[in-house]
Amino acid sequence: NAGVTQTPKFQVLKTGQSMTLQCAQDMNHEYMSWYRQDPGMGLRLIHYSVGAGITDQGEVPNGYNVSRSTTEDFPLRLLSAAPSQTSVYFCASSTGYNTEAFFGQGTRLTVV
Amino acid sequence: GENVEQHPSTLSVQEGDSAVIKCTYSDSASNYFPWYKQELGKGPQLIIDIRSNVGEKKDQRIAVTLNKTAKHFSLHITETQPEDSAVYFCAASMGSGYSTLTFGKGTMLLVSP
Repeated sequence: NAGVTQTPKFQVLKTGQSMTLQCAQDMNHEYMSWYRQDPGMGLRLIHYSVGAGITDQGEVPNGYNVSRSTTEDFPLRLLSAAPSQTSVYFCASSTGYNTEAFFGQGTRLTVV
Repeated sequence: GENVEQHPSTLSVQEGDSAVIKCTYSDSASNYFPWYKQELGKGPQLIIDIRSNVGEKKDQRIAVTLNKTAKHFSLHITETQPEDSAVYFCAASMGSGYSTLTFGKGTMLLVSP
């Protein structure tokens, strides 16, 4: 049972480049979320989804885009990378609200 | 929206001592309070959670207490061990269908042998 799988684990981008962070879960969870983790800032919610075809913004959505075409996948797109988006990104999934969230191993992104 | 404050930001204890981490939240509608442990290079993992209809919950060496009147909750770890060293996050969430978790900034716990 793989749980939540994020790819890639590490990525370096140049300012202005675009890319997609992949997230897949095999637990048939309806809820999926993307967080960014910065030193001293904890985990901040970027976007989330409560089911296929339904997404909404979190606390820090600017510069990111998401879609949810299947239950399993929830990719995060950086439209035009900026140094302020240098961070560790975590994807999480859960069966519903107020239930255990299962996190992936994270993607460390550096924008130069 | 919800705001969660967590203290202290770092905590150093000797093996065998107890450790206490405290969090406060701002939204009285919040009713779910999980705690996550994050080891170096890994994603956070749930260690214990509590809901607003319960004042205290224990799981072996770990306990969480909740005071809804004061809007604060705490994590208690007894008989600490070096493998307890990690970053701990508290979080709060409301019990509605589209509710999301709001996390505290984290506490780095270091347990020295």
